[in-house]
Amino acid sequence: QITLRESGPTLVKPTQTLTLTCTFSGFSLSTYGEGVAWIRQPPGKALEWLAIVYWDDDKRYNSSLKTRLSITKDTPKNQVVLTMTNMDPLDTATYHCVHSHILKIVFDIWGQGTKITVSS
Amino acid sequence: DIQISQSPSSLSASVGDRVSITCRTSHDSNNYVNWYQQKPGKVPKLLIYDASNLETGVPSRFSGSGSGTEFTFIITNLQAEDGGIYYCQQYDNVPTFTFGPGTKVEIK
Repeated sequence: QITLRESGPTLVKPTQTLTLTCTFSGFSLSTYGEGVAWIRQPPGKALEWLAIVYWDDDKRYNSSLKTRLSITKDTPKNQVVLTMTNMDPLDTATYHCVHSHILKIVFDIWGQGTKITVSS
Repeated sequence: DIQISQSPSSLSASVGDRVSITCRTSHDSNNYVNWYQQKPGKVPKLLIYDASNLETGVPSRFSGSGSGTEFTFIITNLQAEDGGIYYCQQYDNVPTFTFGPGTKVEIK
């Protein structure tokens, strides 16, 4: 059974850097095809894909946020870390880490999400 | 960057109705479109993948079709528990991903 759990701060000040950790179980990022993505959802708004990292360390980013994002994996720890620089109140959202796979390109298992508020 | 539109943005229908949602992409998306349902306070749930494939465990009243730039999601025999927001999501060969703005389905 695959599970994912996000952790990180709940409140971030404008211009600060956000660091979120996804800890998962039920699969390994050393296994062919496995991937973990980050997706966010501002209050009352639509979903927005941010980044994904695959088993082979291939990384992809949302082009509109690429300069602010970094995604890394720690395979032995079963963790994926997302950093987002220069946070703005518009980045206030629930951030989810989500399982995917290169052979079936869907977001099939979602973490419950962590709510991040950007405010001074 | 690819743009996605969904129509309608919201709809209200009765139990037993047939509901249709359209997703349009700005570039040819082949059949690389997935559909998700999100109920209030819950995470999205995958319903349809690659335009027309029903995810395991999803009721057969949900279906999808389309290719290229226009995709359709249908709920036949709408049930009370089908209320929520439905998102289409496109991916490309890179892959990168884009979600549509969502369609809110209200049960009368």
